[in-house]
Amino acid sequence: EVQLVQSGGEVKKPGESLRISCQGSGYRFSSYWITWLRQMPGKGLEWMGNIDPRDSYVDYSLSFRGHVTFSVDQSISTVYLNWSGLKASDSAIYYCARHAPHTSTFDSWGQGSLVTVSS
Amino acid sequence: DVVMTQSPLSLPVTPGESASISCRSSQNLLHTNGETYVDWYLQKPGQSPQLLIYLGSKRASGVPDRFSGSHSGTHFTLIINEVQAEDVGVFYCMQALHTPITFGQGTRLEIK
Repeated sequence: EVQLVQSGGEVKKPGESLRISCQGSGYRFSSYWITWLRQMPGKGLEWMGNIDPRDSYVDYSLSFRGHVTFSVDQSISTVYLNWSGLKASDSAIYYCARHAPHTSTFDSWGQGSLVTVSS
Repeated sequence: DVVMTQSPLSLPVTPGESASISCRSSQNLLHTNGETYVDWYLQKPGQSPQLLIYLGSKRASGVPDRFSGSHSGTHFTLIINEVQAEDVGVFYCMQALHTPITFGQGTRLEIK
């Protein structure tokens, strides 16, 4: 069974750093990109970008480039979403999703990680 | 960026009836390989989104055949036949042909 398991919720202060994780199992991890998406409170879905676990190639949405980074540890089939200076506006649920390259489809999703940034 | 415009934004439906959701794209989403890169997702209350339809009209694994997708040019439609209580949630269309990948605003289906 394909599974993406994300790290738990986090409460942080503005300016702090944060890394959340997404671990894949039940499939060949290197064969699928991982996409990160944001859902702000009561709002819709936003594509942040994706990472290719084979070579760590990243494609960021312009809306998020420079504010977040993606990284991967193939040895534990895990992708990370990193911030070095959180803002209150980063408060949201973040989802990772398995991104099938040929159909460009998000066919399996993590459970979501709630990030709250508040002073 | 490609704008995906959904309608209606709210959809009250009586169980057993059919429902239709429209999604219009601001650009052509037909790839040179002949495929149309539009998906439909359902986000049930308190859950992660789940894939329903991909490449415009292909049903994802495990999705009931009550759900179907169609398209004509830049107009995409999701049809739900015989709506059930378990179909409650927010439906999103998404285009993946152009970067950035973009979603419609979402259509909230509720049971009357």
